[in-house]
Amino acid sequence: GENVEQHPSTLSVQEGDSAVIKCTYSDSASNYFPWYKQELGKGPQLIIDIRSNVGEKKDQRIAVTLNKTAKHFSLHITETQPEDSAVYFCAACYSGSARQLTFGSGTQLTVLP
Amino acid sequence: GAVVSQHPSRVICKSGTSVKIECRSLDFQATTMFWYRQFPKQSLMLMATSNEGSKATYEQGVEKDKFLINHASLTLSTLTVTSAHPEDSSFYICSASRQGSGSNQPQHFGDGTRLSIL
Repeated sequence: GENVEQHPSTLSVQEGDSAVIKCTYSDSASNYFPWYKQELGKGPQLIIDIRSNVGEKKDQRIAVTLNKTAKHFSLHITETQPEDSAVYFCAACYSGSARQLTFGSGTQLTVLP
Repeated sequence: GAVVSQHPSRVICKSGTSVKIECRSLDFQATTMFWYRQFPKQSLMLMATSNEGSKATYEQGVEKDKFLINHASLTLSTLTVTSAHPEDSSFYICSASRQGSGSNQPQHFGDGTRLSIL
């Protein structure tokens, strides 16, 4: 089955700096890679996703890159703000598998004011 | 769009009680819903995949008689924790994908249910 590794487990940045979270996956058949933000006591919220037919996707301050050859993908947050502080999860799945997501272990991002 | 509502948000009950958690897709139809369990400071662990009109598919190690799942309509799935014990205390989260052509529908999550068994 799929295995997703996520690093780092914790990340502290100064407000305004960039944050990068990296994930690797094991199953070359995986073709869909979402990123979720989870605030304390709440469910995960989809913030961006990428499919294997593209290498990069951007949405305002958030971008995701995908390297299919190396089987890794990354989340980039620029101009970080205190409200970006949360736990971020990457995930991977093969779209033909009833979309069962395999999640990374999560990254606690703290943006210091 | 793509709002998933989960109810209740928090349950505290005595050992031996059965607890039902509802997951609704409010503005879309969901052929498939998923149930996850999350322990503090850990990732989401898939418990089962719920398909409308058919039996749920449980992950290895998840007792189907303990965690009963019903997906009676395209907008509602329920998880019942039967005869709950303190070790069942956890954060339970559901997700749903909008019905549509297979590969293009992301999962949207509810806000979770904090279950505490005394």
